[in-house]
Amino acid sequence: GEQVEQRPPHLSVREGDSAVITCTYTDPNSYYFFWYKQEPGASLQLLMKVFSSTEINEGQGFTVLLNKKDTRLSLNLTAAHPGDSAAYFCAVVTGGNNRIFFGDGTQLVVKP
Amino acid sequence: EAAVTQSPRSKVAVTGGKVTLSCHQTNNHDYMYWYRQDTGHGLRLIHYSYVADSTEKGDIPDGYKASRPSQENFSLILELASLSQTAVYFCASSDPGAGQAPLFGEGTRLSVL
Repeated sequence: GEQVEQRPPHLSVREGDSAVITCTYTDPNSYYFFWYKQEPGASLQLLMKVFSSTEINEGQGFTVLLNKKDTRLSLNLTAAHPGDSAAYFCAVVTGGNNRIFFGDGTQLVVKP
Repeated sequence: EAAVTQSPRSKVAVTGGKVTLSCHQTNNHDYMYWYRQDTGHGLRLIHYSYVADSTEKGDIPDGYKASRPSQENFSLILELASLSQTAVYFCASSDPGAGQAPLFGEGTRLSVL
């Protein structure tokens, strides 16, 4: 079945620096992709959804890149600030049964 | 407004007791999920359902049962709670085939003593 590997598990950056989190997945037929943010003690909030084509989506302070050829999904926080400190999870939808597979998460710390 | 509501938000249970966690969604989603999250870790899928009156095992179903009596409601049942089941439990709903991202409830913090 699908396997989603998320790297790095922990990431510490200075305010204003960029932070890049990457997920690689194994099923080339995966077709929907999501990024979530989880603040301490809270639930998961959807940041962005990316569909089945190579594309770049930009949100507020971040960029998501999907490369289906390399089966890679990345989240780039362009100028991190302390409020971005949280856990980030990628999720991949795959297969005929629409299973959703989550990465193990990245704990991001942004220092002032 | 689309929502997933979990109850209770927190619970303390005794070892060997029965625990029922409830989830209600107003999103008209076919799929519902129960995940477990241990401190500092990711999500693990316990059970899921894509239609009322039917449930499917996820990746860690042992020690848990699920019930989906209607499209809106999905319960997780621990018949004999154990210390190792202390965790935060999240319910989610989605329509993945239509590109709907899972929408999560606020979580239930379960402590088994």
